[in-house]
Amino acid sequence: EAGVTQFPSHSVIEKGQTVTLRCDPISGHDNLYWYRRVMGKEIKFLLHFVKESKQDESGMPNNRFLAERTGGTYSTLKVQPAELEDSGVYFCASDTTGRGGYTFGSGTRLTVV
Amino acid sequence: GNSVTQMEGPVTLSEEAFLTINCTYTATGYPSLFWYVQYPGEGLQLLLKATKADDKGSNKGFEATYRKETTSFHLEKGSVQVSDSAVYFCALPVYNQGGKLIFGQGTELSVKP
Repeated sequence: EAGVTQFPSHSVIEKGQTVTLRCDPISGHDNLYWYRRVMGKEIKFLLHFVKESKQDESGMPNNRFLAERTGGTYSTLKVQPAELEDSGVYFCASDTTGRGGYTFGSGTRLTVV
Repeated sequence: GNSVTQMEGPVTLSEEAFLTINCTYTATGYPSLFWYVQYPGEGLQLLLKATKADDKGSNKGFEATYRKETTSFHLEKGSVQVSDSAVYFCALPVYNQGGKLIFGQGTELSVKP
């Protein structure tokens, strides 16, 4: 089966611009998660979708971040406007069980300059 | 709440050396425990897991034993290879929050020939 796909793999944008990251989960996986790793620190949870619904968005840092999952398939994470501290690697994961141990995508490395 | 503390890196070893990366946790209940690995330029991969006390997870020569008495899940490998150079993350689910994971800060391993 195809794995979790994320794109772009890299994005460099200027402060104040908008960027949209996309995640295509494994087909049939209802659970979709977003995480990020900033500045070589620990990986932190951003949010969790079950199908098209936001189950938990407690990790979203502020209202500059907007995640959607239309139709319960792929998801997008938009950052608008981007700030320097948003730089990092954004990971997406999906699974069927909702119990951890899931498959991650390769991540999107976002650099805000 | 659940938390995980991981040995700081970077760790530099010579090929064929023995590897231990320490991970300790605090948890409500008895969650599954995971080790993830991120090879250079790639995404996060599940390396191994253990689902209950005294379980030993193993994969690619790596092992970790779920120790309830010491609340530890140390990662070990008897003889590392250059290809094991990567960042290793210990992780566990947040109690009763549907698959949301808490990660350690990551330990960068560099293996020299």
